[in-house]
Amino acid sequence: GQQVQQSPASLVLQEGENAELQCNFSTSLNSMQWFYQRPGGSLVSLFYNPSGTKQSGRLTSTTVIKERRSSLHISSSQTTDSGTYLCAMERNSGTYQRFGTGTKLQVVP
Amino acid sequence: GPKVLQIPSHQIIDMGQMVTLNCDPVSNHLYFYWYKQILGQQMEFLVNFYNGKVMEKSKLFKDQFSVERPDGSYFTLKIQPTALEDSAVYFCASSFTANSDYTFGSGTRLLVI
Repeated sequence: GQQVQQSPASLVLQEGENAELQCNFSTSLNSMQWFYQRPGGSLVSLFYNPSGTKQSGRLTSTTVIKERRSSLHISSSQTTDSGTYLCAMERNSGTYQRFGTGTKLQVVP
Repeated sequence: GPKVLQIPSHQIIDMGQMVTLNCDPVSNHLYFYWYKQILGQQMEFLVNFYNGKVMEKSKLFKDQFSVERPDGSYFTLKIQPTALEDSAVYFCASSFTANSDYTFGSGTRLLVI
């Protein structure tokens, strides 16, 4: 079954609103990385966050290993935040990253 | 920051022909990966590669697929022969260790007709 579940699948925000994107995994976690996928397809790494909380500008990532979840918080959203957000988890050291199904975000003016 | 370069960015090829996708990973990275993404669908792992060998491969990595990195040059994905269902965007990634962050290329959009 699907080992990495993302929610919501899609989200529409008014500019300025906040968003909380979730990534839940069904197995133990070794590492977690969040990506932004541009409408053209290229991937931008947002956070490499195996555990704890990291912040960069308006983005905050929190990974709680015991609860098998990671979240991405976007504050004061902007239209340029529109796109798909992907989480990818590595189950064991030395294996590969498995991607979630993504959250498609649209921020409207 | 450091980048992974993928060449070409787009490729159209007749079904049955051979295609080679090229990836120039980050210079000090040791682990290399190929992923496949069909339009609008999930990013799927194909294969990872370290020290000249395939470490793991998924069910999507068919017998027609092969990877190599001869003499530290491009990390390549070869498909021979191609099939219609191989049409997708292929992403290359690299990492310094097995459990450090990945750097992805911009993808090669492959269309098999």
